Amino acid sequence: SQQGEEDPQALSIQEGENATMNCSYKTSINNLQWYRQNSGRGLVHLILIRSNEREKHSGRLRVTLDTSKKSSSLLITASRAADTASYFCATAYFSGGYNKLIFGAGTRLAVHP
Amino acid sequence: DVKVTQSSRYLVKRTGEKVFLECVQDMDHENMFWYRQDPGLGLRLIYFSYDVKMKEKGDIPEGYSVSREKKERFSLILESASTNQTSMYLCASSSRGQGRGNTIYFGEGSWLTVV
Repeated sequence: SQQGEEDPQALSIQEGENATMNCSYKTSINNLQWYRQNSGRGLVHLILIRSNEREKHSGRLRVTLDTSKKSSSLLITASRAADTASYFCATAYFSGGYNKLIFGAGTRLAVHP
Repeated sequence: DVKVTQSSRYLVKRTGEKVFLECVQDMDHENMFWYRQDPGLGLRLIYFSYDVKMKEKGDIPEGYSVSREKKERFSLILESASTNQTSMYLCASSSRGQGRGNTIYFGEGSWLTVV
């Protein structure tokens, strides 16, 4: 079963606007990660936030984590057409002796020039 | 630069054929994974391996098997391909160490169509 659920499923914005994507999950986690996927390609790791962190920045990306609400958000500021892609959250937790990573269904972001 | 290479980008196979998807990583990673990706379902883990000759079932192992004879190579095998296995298959690897959490590195994907 899916651990992470992204919201919205699709997002369409103009260049220069900010894009916010949300992720909710069900069980306790070690960390939460965000990945990006260009159409028809593999996934690329963007940012990781640990369970004891509340906010993290990387360039134009800002990730927040609220473990009490079991949710995270990814903010892309000053979006560009090149940001058009699908974005996935992945929750990492320890189970059965292994670190496991469960992906959500993703948010499709379209940034229009 | 890290590299996970999947041998085939696009394959078309017939129902009942045996299909091999090969994956090689050059990062000396202990862990390797096979996922399939379908619209609206995200990525689902088929199998993973944490060491040579070791394997563990993921969430959807039925109809698949894997082989890891060398550390850098992880193969996914469809013993008898069926149309419901038409999908995009993604190979990935990660270090066992905790320095970067369990960030994983993906290949470019293999699009398999079973007709």
